[in-house]
Amino acid sequence: DAGVTQSPTHLIKTRGQQVTLRCSPKSGHDTVSWYQQALGQGPQFIFQYYEEEERQRGNFPDRFSGHQFPNYSSELNVNALLLGDSALYLCASSTWANEQFFGPGTRLTVL
Amino acid sequence: QQQVKQSPQSLIVQKGGISIINCAYENTAFDYFPWYQQFPGKGPALLIAIRPDVSEKKEGRFTISFNKSAKQFSLHIMDSQPGDSATYFCAAGGATNKLIFGTGTLLAVQP
Repeated sequence: DAGVTQSPTHLIKTRGQQVTLRCSPKSGHDTVSWYQQALGQGPQFIFQYYEEEERQRGNFPDRFSGHQFPNYSSELNVNALLLGDSALYLCASSTWANEQFFGPGTRLTVL
Repeated sequence: QQQVKQSPQSLIVQKGGISIINCAYENTAFDYFPWYQQFPGKGPALLIAIRPDVSEKKEGRFTISFNKSAKQFSLHIMDSQPGDSATYFCAAGGATNKLIFGTGTLLAVQP
């Protein structure tokens, strides 16, 4: 049983560009949450998708958007990248309101 | 009220010793308290979790102690091993399981 997978592993972008990160949840899971983890910090909640809708959102600007597909996979989009967006982006999957399992993350570097 | 405070920031323990990490929260709506272990370059891995209806939960060498009245919970790692050296995060979640993470504890177990 494959766990949570994320792609790409690493990504380098320049300021002002746009980026799309992808996540495939663990088999049987229908909820995907995205977190941003800056170096040396705990993960910060960005938003959560369930039934293809954004159900909750953390304190992140509208430059951060997402999508969930019918097969429960998800994308995180970030527009107009800033240097401060450099971080490890984590996807976690779960069934609604239950244990969250994290993927390996995508390391985004903004130059 | 959404913060989770974690201490200590770092911890050095001898092999075979007990590692203890503490967390405190303010929001009484939290009803789910997981602990995650994270190795460098990896995503957080769920170790053990507790809900407020019990005061202690043990899984192998890992134990969570929970004090509802004090709004505190802690992770105890018995017989600590060098392979336990990692960063540990506590977290708290409510009904929809949006997780609020602590700032992390870097544990080093010396052989």
